[in-house]
Amino acid sequence: KNQVEQSPQSLIILEGKNCTLQCNYTVSPFSNLRWYKQDTGRGPVSLTIMTFSENTKSNGRYTATLDADTKQSSLHITASQLSDSASYICVVSARAAGNKLTFGGGTRVLVKP
Amino acid sequence: DTAVSQTPKYLVTQMGNDKSIKCEQNLGHDTMYWYKQDSKKFLKIMFSYNNKELIINETVPNRFSPKSPDKAHLNLHINSLELGDSAVYFCASSQAGSFTEAFFGQGTRLTVV
Repeated sequence: KNQVEQSPQSLIILEGKNCTLQCNYTVSPFSNLRWYKQDTGRGPVSLTIMTFSENTKSNGRYTATLDADTKQSSLHITASQLSDSASYICVVSARAAGNKLTFGGGTRVLVKP
Repeated sequence: DTAVSQTPKYLVTQMGNDKSIKCEQNLGHDTMYWYKQDSKKFLKIMFSYNNKELIINETVPNRFSPKSPDKAHLNLHINSLELGDSAVYFCASSQAGSFTEAFFGQGTRLTVV
């Protein structure tokens, strides 16, 4: 069964600090892995998309890593800002009809001043 | 110039009623989706349409019927609403292909009382 698990479920960090979110997946056959940011009351917005051959990808202060061998990914947020408070969702796409996406439950990040 | 727009944003209705949620995208994408986000915040795909043709239909009660009059619209009609249908429903669109980004609407919060 295709699954995506994220940890921690939630975390609180002080403004300006860094944090790292984890994602483990069992989706097969693997196509790509995405990280989305979802603000409260909004739809998810894509941060990064990585294929199995990519180890790291950055988008501003967000850096995602991928280890396709261990089926793990991480999202690192550098110098956090209050606007980073949101849920971060790891999504894995399988190579199948319709490129079905499997979503993790998300990590809720709260950045405090 | 909203990319993916859903209406209504909030919907409160009684059990047994029939309701529809509309979705439109102006990105020229050929694939549209409906997702359900439950109370635990997991997003699960319900349907996927490519050029008005159904390509993914997860295990969704047949009370849910998607309608795609053209590739820019994918509406969701729900018959005989039940309490368990309460959730946030997201519409999304993408261009066909493994590595294309999916763009999400703002969501429709459905509450069945």
